[in-house]
Amino acid sequence: LAKTTQPISMDSYEGQEVNITCSHNNIATNDYITWYQQFPSQGPRFIIQGYKTKVTNEVASLFIPADRKSSTLSLPRVSLSDTAVYYCLVGSSNTGKLIFGQGTTLQVKP
Amino acid sequence: EAEVAQSPRYKITEKSQAVAFWCDPISGHATLYWYRQILGQGPELLVQFQDESVVDDSQLPKDRFSAERLKGVDSTLKIQPAELGDSAMYLCASSPLALGTDTQYFGPGTRLTVL
Repeated sequence: LAKTTQPISMDSYEGQEVNITCSHNNIATNDYITWYQQFPSQGPRFIIQGYKTKVTNEVASLFIPADRKSSTLSLPRVSLSDTAVYYCLVGSSNTGKLIFGQGTTLQVKP
Repeated sequence: EAEVAQSPRYKITEKSQAVAFWCDPISGHATLYWYRQILGQGPELLVQFQDESVVDDSQLPKDRFSAERLKGVDSTLKIQPAELGDSAMYLCASSPLALGTDTQYFGPGTRLTVL
């Protein structure tokens, strides 16, 4: 499975759009890109998943360029409750196995 | 909304003792995962079950850890004997199938402290 690289931490203010970029240079053809969110003392929670181009749901958008070697999670108009750790993962479509990195700690300030 | 259940939520034990964690996945989910998360790090997969069969236990320290899912429903993870380095959050997750497109649903975890 491809290793992912993302910033260790980011700061933002309420109401701003936050973009977290993840690098996955060795992504395989059948791999999917998935993002999870984790609050302290809770299990990770699925945010969004994509294979290529753009995916949007009610909470976030995921942008994946044509070469798929990176991806960007976009959180529109963040609030204090979006303060959490965000994990970018590359998952095998064959096994479902996920490899978590250290994640990006997002701190949203008032 | 259905959730993954785990118990206990917290466990304090002394080194060399045995501990066990229980997980009840979402009904109908064939795939079950156990992860270990050390403070400040991302979760690390320990074992993956498909129904009652182990699919991947390559990262499970088999000299002291064991996991079972006898009837393909709930699962137990055991550590014997516990060591100081085992202090961590143990997370259980389930998904309908073992596909990369399947969302993994995580339980609240069991926080283990080994003294």
